[in-house]
Amino acid sequence: DAEITQSPRHKITETGRQVTLACHQTWNHNNMFWYRQDLGHGLRLIHYSYGVQDTNKGEVSDGYSVSRSNTEDLPLTLESAASSQTSVYFCASSVNGDGKGDTDTQYFGPGTRLTVL
Amino acid sequence: AQSVTQLGSHVSVSEGALVLLRCNYSSSVPPYLFWYVQYPNQGLQLLLKYTSAATLVKGINGFEAEFKKSETSFHLTKPSAHMSDAAEYFCAVSSNTGGFKTIFGAGTRLFVKA
Repeated sequence: DAEITQSPRHKITETGRQVTLACHQTWNHNNMFWYRQDLGHGLRLIHYSYGVQDTNKGEVSDGYSVSRSNTEDLPLTLESAASSQTSVYFCASSVNGDGKGDTDTQYFGPGTRLTVL
Repeated sequence: AQSVTQLGSHVSVSEGALVLLRCNYSSSVPPYLFWYVQYPNQGLQLLLKYTSAATLVKGINGFEAEFKKSETSFHLTKPSAHMSDAAEYFCAVSSNTGGFKTIFGAGTRLFVKA
């Protein structure tokens, strides 16, 4: 069965360290997304990609970067981790069948809980 | 710009009672609308979606939602709550106004009392 996985599921790191969160999907979806979930804020979009070599900033992209070298993976990198980046991170993917962007169901990974001390 | 507002961060119902979770959106063009559910320590999963085919949309687990353009609403309902419905529910919108990026509401946590 197709799926979307995230690793690690839990991560504790120190302020200033570089951290990379992995996201891998086997749906063969063009679109991939990274969100952070914080109490009272719902889901906020960090970065997204509509295909290989395509990346775009979301509403809370400062301090984060992504790269898309293949269809299956969209790793999220925190260049220099800050305590404000303590959060639960979700990766998602969707089809882009009509070429408009994101108009279809998003499939979510199980999340990564990141703590920055 | 498009946006979505969920009225009530917490809703509590008794088992067997009607569930009503409210969602209002703003979009100047016909939107795509979604309801997702998140169980504890899991990612979100789709409950149902509106894509302009029919205004009353039926989803999984007995949930349904009605698109009302005049009220810019997409409220989620279920006739009879079950204990297993306790979760967080997110309304989401995607439209040309927002460049077809999906915007999620802040979420409503549903509590079901025995």
